[in-house]
Amino acid sequence: SQQGEEDPQALSIQEGENATMNCSYKTSINNLQWYRQNSGRGLVHLILIRSNEREKHSGRLRVTLDTSKKSSSLLITASRAADTASYFCATDGRDSSYKLIFGSGTRLLVRP
Amino acid sequence: GAGVSQSPSNKVTEKGKDVELRCDPISGHTALYWYRQSLGQGLEFLIYFQGNSAPDKSGLPSDRFSAERTGGSVSTLTIQRTQQEDSAVYLCASTGTRNYGYTFGSGTRLTVV
Repeated sequence: SQQGEEDPQALSIQEGENATMNCSYKTSINNLQWYRQNSGRGLVHLILIRSNEREKHSGRLRVTLDTSKKSSSLLITASRAADTASYFCATDGRDSSYKLIFGSGTRLLVRP
Repeated sequence: GAGVSQSPSNKVTEKGKDVELRCDPISGHTALYWYRQSLGQGLEFLIYFQGNSAPDKSGLPSDRFSAERTGGSVSTLTIQRTQQEDSAVYLCASTGTRNYGYTFGSGTRLTVV
């Protein structure tokens, strides 16, 4: 079963604009991670935020976590055409062995 | 190696045949995972190996699926009597410790005809 659900399912923006993707999950977590996937193959780890953290930055990426609402958001600022990809959130459940459960992803298209 | 290596990158097989997919994780990574991704979908967890512990097989969809990890390194996912619904990209990932992200391989695209 999928723990994280991303919203929106698809997003189309102009280069230079910001892109915001949201993720909701159901159970208590140890951490939440975001991944990017190009062309339906291997995923690339972007950022990890622990359950006791509220915000984290990495370059043009900003991730927030609200454990009371069981939700997270990924913000990509000043988007580029190269950011076009699918983005997935994944949760490491507090009561489970360390296996990530992935959401269904947001397909981002950045138009040049 | 420098990354997670999977082979073959593509596999076309006839319905009813057995297939073996291979994953070579990053050296020293104790945890290894197999996921499956159908076209346009999210990742479905299949199986997880951690060191010498018994694997977590809770995601395997049927008894036609099995996996082993030899010597704490290379893993093989075997699908017996393949069906068309087994067509998907099979992804392998490894990690060293909890609270670090996974490193994924490029996947094996399996097509059952």
